[in-house]
Amino acid sequence: NAGVTQTPKFQVLKTGQSMTLQCAQDMNHEYMSWYRQDPGMGLRLIHYSVGAGITDQGEVPNGYNVSRSTTEDFPLRLLSAAPSQTSVYFCASSFYRADTQYFGPGTRLTVL
Amino acid sequence: GESVGLHLPTLSVQEGDNSIINCAYSNSASDYFIWYKQESGKGPQFIIDIRSNMDKRQGQRVTVLLNKTVKHLSLQIAATQPGDSAVYFCAEILANQAGTALIFGKGTTLSVSS
Repeated sequence: NAGVTQTPKFQVLKTGQSMTLQCAQDMNHEYMSWYRQDPGMGLRLIHYSVGAGITDQGEVPNGYNVSRSTTEDFPLRLLSAAPSQTSVYFCASSFYRADTQYFGPGTRLTVL
Repeated sequence: GESVGLHLPTLSVQEGDNSIINCAYSNSASDYFIWYKQESGKGPQFIIDIRSNMDKRQGQRVTVLLNKTVKHLSLQIAATQPGDSAVYFCAEILANQAGTALIFGKGTTLSVSS
C-alpha cells in the first residue's frame, strides 16, 4: 500500500490565485481530514470527511473548500490564496474518526 | 478551552539515555490518546496509543503511561538514539455530544546528541 499520498510537495502561489491540493489513500479508510501546521501552532483541523459525499468544517475552514466524491480522494481547494495561507498542509486518514490517523508527507505552500 | 499541551517545548538528551516526554490534558472525558513522531520535512508518524482503561502500554523501546488522576500522559523512549530526534506530539480523542475530535498538543522537540 502507498498509504496517504499528497501532491504537490511544494507550491508557490501569488495572492488571489486558486489551486487544489491533492490527497489520496489506498487503505479504504472512511475518515479523511486536512490540517495545516504553522510554527508554534501545532496541527489545526481545516476540514474533514466521514465518508464519500460527507464533509464538515474543522477549526480553521475559512478560505478552503473540500469535496469527497470517492472514498480514496479528498482534495483541498484554495479559492483565492492569501499570504496567511502560507503553511504546511497535511492530509490524514483513518478507518473512522475516533481512531489513529495516518498522515501524508505534506505540501509546503507559500503565498506571495 | 480544553486542549492537550506539553510541559516542555524542547528536550535535549545524550545518546543512550532514556527520554521522557510529558503531556497534560484537561478533558477527563477523553478516552483515547496517541503519540506521534514528526521528523523534519515529513508528516506525523504514529508511535503508540493507549486507551483510558489502561495505565501503561509498551512498544518497541517506547512506553506510554497514562495517569488519569492528574490527567497526565508521558512517552518514555529507552536508549535514545540520534534517529529519535524529532518533534513529538500527543493527541487525544474526545467523543461527546458535539461529535468526535482529535486534538493535538503543540509538540516537544527532542534533540539527541552523540
